[in-house]
Amino acid sequence: GQQLNQSPQSMFIQEGEDVSMNCTSSSIFNTWLWYKQDPGEGPVLLIALYKAGELTSNGRLTAQFGITRKDSFLNISASIPSDVGIYFCAGLQVRNTGKLIFGQGTTLQVKP
Amino acid sequence: NAGVTQTPKFQVLKTGQSMTLQCAQDMNHEYMSWYRQDPGMGLRLIHYSVGAGITDQGEVPNGYNVSRSTTEDFPLRLLSAAPSQTSVYFCASSYSSGRLTDTQYFGPGTRLTVL
Repeated sequence: GQQLNQSPQSMFIQEGEDVSMNCTSSSIFNTWLWYKQDPGEGPVLLIALYKAGELTSNGRLTAQFGITRKDSFLNISASIPSDVGIYFCAGLQVRNTGKLIFGQGTTLQVKP
Repeated sequence: NAGVTQTPKFQVLKTGQSMTLQCAQDMNHEYMSWYRQDPGMGLRLIHYSVGAGITDQGEVPNGYNVSRSTTEDFPLRLLSAAPSQTSVYFCASSYSSGRLTDTQYFGPGTRLTVL
């Protein structure tokens, strides 16, 4: 099936550092979403992007919808210990279908 | 609102047994989906529904059945459990109009082990 390639797979950073992760595909997507999953919980929506080139912020998080519509980026500034978790990108090729495709996830660990 | 609820939270089955994973939402969402999550593979879509009485297959539908008799409920049935179905199962829902259809809200998951 269609895959989203998410990188890096894991990151171990110091508190206060900035973090960047991205998601790429060989196909065009019309919506990009970024989720965070804490251990034992379901994914929680962080940011939704609907338009190529769109840059959206949510507190210390900023995400961008790539101009080619084949990629998306998530940045976390000034990381804190509660940022620990797994971050997933997800995309829809066809809107209004509910058929999300997920990346493999980026596991983030923050050292106090 | 309770949001998206799933039961049970944990389940152990023997190979060949059948069971139903329950999912309910109280947000009047039209769209509902089932995903499975396996280590290193992200979430994969099993089945989804765009409204009561309408269901369709996702990426990995084999071995699973669904039905949508009401807007609120979307149960997932395992007909004859196999060890390959050991996974964490998530239900999700979203609105059915405009951009909001693309923003899915997830339940807490059901952790299933098939021996």
